[in-house]
Amino acid sequence: SQQGEEDPQALSIQEGENATMNCSYKTSINNLQWYRQNSGRGLVHLILIRSNEREKHSGRLRVTLDTSKKSSSLLITASRAADTASYFCATRGYSGGGADGLTFGKGTHLIIQP
Amino acid sequence: DAGVTQSPTHLIKTRGQQVTLRCSPKSGHDTVSWYQQALGQGPQFIFQYYEEEERQRGNFPDRFSGHQFPNYSSELNVNALLLGDSALYLCASTRRGGYYGYTFGSGTRLTVV
Repeated sequence: SQQGEEDPQALSIQEGENATMNCSYKTSINNLQWYRQNSGRGLVHLILIRSNEREKHSGRLRVTLDTSKKSSSLLITASRAADTASYFCATRGYSGGGADGLTFGKGTHLIIQP
Repeated sequence: DAGVTQSPTHLIKTRGQQVTLRCSPKSGHDTVSWYQQALGQGPQFIFQYYEEEERQRGNFPDRFSGHQFPNYSSELNVNALLLGDSALYLCASTRRGGYYGYTFGSGTRLTVV
């Protein structure tokens, strides 16, 4: 089953604008990760934020995490046509066997208009 | 440095048959997990292996089984294929510890007819 939901499901913006995607999840986590997927192929890891962190930056990416609200956001600044892709948040918790696999949301499809 | 390698890239099977998908993890990674992704959906966690044992399992029936070899490579086996098993199957690898991102392969597109 899916852990949570990304919002919006689809987003279309002009090149150069900023894109913000939100993610909600249901259970306690060890960390939250964001991935990009082009054309239904393999996913690319973008950034990981630990449960005790509130904000993290990587290049044009900014991720926030609010564990009290069980939510995260991904901001892509100065968008480019190459950023067109589907973006997924994925949570990772801990069970008796150690660190769990990833639990993904349904994704946000981002389209950057030239 | 090669990333995660999956084979085959595409596969067509008949309902009721069995299939084996293969995965070689990224160099330096010892943990392998498998995901099923239906069209338009996020990946669903099937199971995860390290030290040659299944450590965590998602909500998938026993028809889905796997194996990890001493060189950390892995196989996913699906028995008694159903039409609903048609999907993109993704393999991902990481290092143990819980605080590392995963490297994904390009996937195997399985079509059950």
